[in-house]
Amino acid sequence: AQRVTQPEKLLSVFKGAPVELKCNYSYSGSPELFWYVQYSRQRLQLLLRHISRESIKGFTADLNKGETSFHLKKPFAQEEDSAMYYCALATGGGNKLTFGTGTQLKVEL
Amino acid sequence: EPEVTQTPSHQVTQMGQEVILRCVPISNHLYFYWYRQILGQKVEFLVSFYNNEISEKSEIFDDQFSVERPDGSNFTLKIRSTKLEDSAMYFCASKAEPVGNQPQHFGDGTRLSIL
Repeated sequence: AQRVTQPEKLLSVFKGAPVELKCNYSYSGSPELFWYVQYSRQRLQLLLRHISRESIKGFTADLNKGETSFHLKKPFAQEEDSAMYYCALATGGGNKLTFGTGTQLKVEL
Repeated sequence: EPEVTQTPSHQVTQMGQEVILRCVPISNHLYFYWYRQILGQKVEFLVSFYNNEISEKSEIFDDQFSVERPDGSNFTLKIRSTKLEDSAMYFCASKAEPVGNQPQHFGDGTRLSIL
């Protein structure tokens, strides 16, 4: 069965410091991976998907099939990046999402 | 930008009562989903729906749960006889195409509290 692991429940960094939110997955098929962000009291919003290889709000994520990872990175953290970040894997004919447990990113001044 | 909308934002119900959670997906989307998040836990898949039928469901989605698209716009989740452990945040999501790399768009969620 598929699984998504986010090992850090909370990540606290100072403003301007680099950020790396870890995500590892387990899936026998070809993975379709996403990062979703949830700002305080708001809905889950798509941040990135691996297929597009784009940078959104300064964040990037590269799929590493050898390490089965899809880590989220940003070179310089901003205060407004403070939020809950979820890694998710789409599988099955209906493309259901399997979520990790999420990492709370706190950017301190 | 079009959004998925969910009503109500908060529902309080007595244990054993039926509850219906409502969602209006984005208008040209074809795939619909329900997820739930128990407080302090991760977001869990419940069910996916396409072409007026369930395409996949999880172990959580037992006989107490049902989904329906009663008209051209609404997508509902019904819990027939609620239990205390059904207390959670319920998210509706929709997606334009049945392609794995297309993102799902989420609503704000309905907080369901069972007393």
